[in-house]
Amino acid sequence: QKEVEQNSGPLSVPEGAIASLNCTYSDRGSQSFFWYRQYSGKSPELIMSIYSNGDKEDGRFTAQLNKASQYVSLLIRDSQPSDSATYLCAVNIKGGKAAGNKLTFGGGTRVLVKP
Amino acid sequence: EAGVTQFPSHSVIEKGQTVTLRCDPISGHDNLYWYRRVMGKEIKFLLHFVKESKQDESGMPNNRFLAERTGGTYSTLKVQPAELEDSGVYFCASSQAGTSGKFHTGELFFGEGSRLTVL
Repeated sequence: QKEVEQNSGPLSVPEGAIASLNCTYSDRGSQSFFWYRQYSGKSPELIMSIYSNGDKEDGRFTAQLNKASQYVSLLIRDSQPSDSATYLCAVNIKGGKAAGNKLTFGGGTRVLVKP
Repeated sequence: EAGVTQFPSHSVIEKGQTVTLRCDPISGHDNLYWYRRVMGKEIKFLLHFVKESKQDESGMPNNRFLAERTGGTYSTLKVQPAELEDSGVYFCASSQAGTSGKFHTGELFFGEGSRLTVL
């Protein structure tokens, strides 16, 4: 079992619709959770971070965390063609200030937003 | 403000040769990380510097890989001798230091990566 799992996609959504991405993780001790967006050939860019159960909204993005079920999701509302990218789920398994940011990544979900 | 920069963007070498990748983190970021993505696989952690000290190098594949960060500024990652399985994209990332008593937030800023092809 992979430590962080994502559906590789592609997830095809029409422009204006909601894109829903899911990520599951194996280590119950995981402390913090991140969504990165990566355009082809570019650097991963942090778009959302979430640390406690529930929803966190930032503009058109909403991250949802459920530690009991060990999943984290990302919703993209009013999807735009410019949202077409690979979305990477990353988990910081160790906690504490000495742990640094040894992120464990999922394989990424490719999202295609069609006009 | 300049982001994380990496050089070269692409390197093609033959098996057995040596390659050195360089990373310039965001100015003032004490934490510097190296990650790698091999084709078809997830991005994997290699190591973590805090200033010039190696904090965690548990992800380094073997002793053919040597990372340095002299002076706590830029970092180099040398692969010597390179093997076919070393091909992939090497990402560098940096972040600010966490404050005492607070959990390090994990907000990494990534470079665009150095693509290494070993023939």
